[in-house]
Amino acid sequence: DIQMTQSSSSFSVSLGDRVTITCKASEDIYNRLAWYQQKPGNAPRLLISGATSLETGVPSRFSGSGSGKDYTLSITSLQTEDVATYYCQQYWSTPLTFGAGTKLELK
Amino acid sequence: EVQLQQSGPELVKPGASVKMSCKASGYTFTSYVMHWVKQKPGQGLEWIGYINPYNDGTKYNEKFKGKATLTSDKSSSTAYMELSSLTSEDSAVYYCARAELGGWLPAYWGQGTLVTVSA
Repeated sequence: DIQMTQSSSSFSVSLGDRVTITCKASEDIYNRLAWYQQKPGNAPRLLISGATSLETGVPSRFSGSGSGKDYTLSITSLQTEDVATYYCQQYWSTPLTFGAGTKLELK
Repeated sequence: EVQLQQSGPELVKPGASVKMSCKASGYTFTSYVMHWVKQKPGQGLEWIGYINPYNDGTKYNEKFKGKATLTSDKSSSTAYMELSSLTSEDSAVYYCARAELGGWLPAYWGQGTLVTVSA
């Protein structure tokens, strides 16, 4: 199974901050990397697929980058509604696997 | 608009089974794989498996083989997951999620079904 490691389990952030969340796969996943946002009591929401492609309706302050094993989700100018938990997921091979999540908390 | 409507919360006794549903609308049910994902309270996401409603083909995470059974009903555009021999470790929210077009990526998610296993 491919292991997905998110570098931090939580971040303390301020509104307007630029936030970067990293995710590392245990092997090359050929950009088959998705990012999800989840707010308490809600289902995950797909933000980015193919490592860099923003889903329809997702604000442009979100962006994804990376290749091979290493990937990043960036949020420029953090807004209140961005406070959530973010998961990376690889879909290069089954079983599909998720990172443990990174929770953004306001300072 | 793609919609996945999942069945309501379940309270079940240890050792019992539970079957939950995921009714799809807004797209051609047989054209997309349907995934199931587990989330224990306060924890992360775990992929259970998927079903291809076109041919009822399934793929399971080895961890859930023998625990989860995925089925579908084309006539009602509904996917089902049955969990057997329930223990407290099965208490979780279970999500169905439709894949992207032509691929595996879970793109559209249902609201989740909470299963609580308790005597």
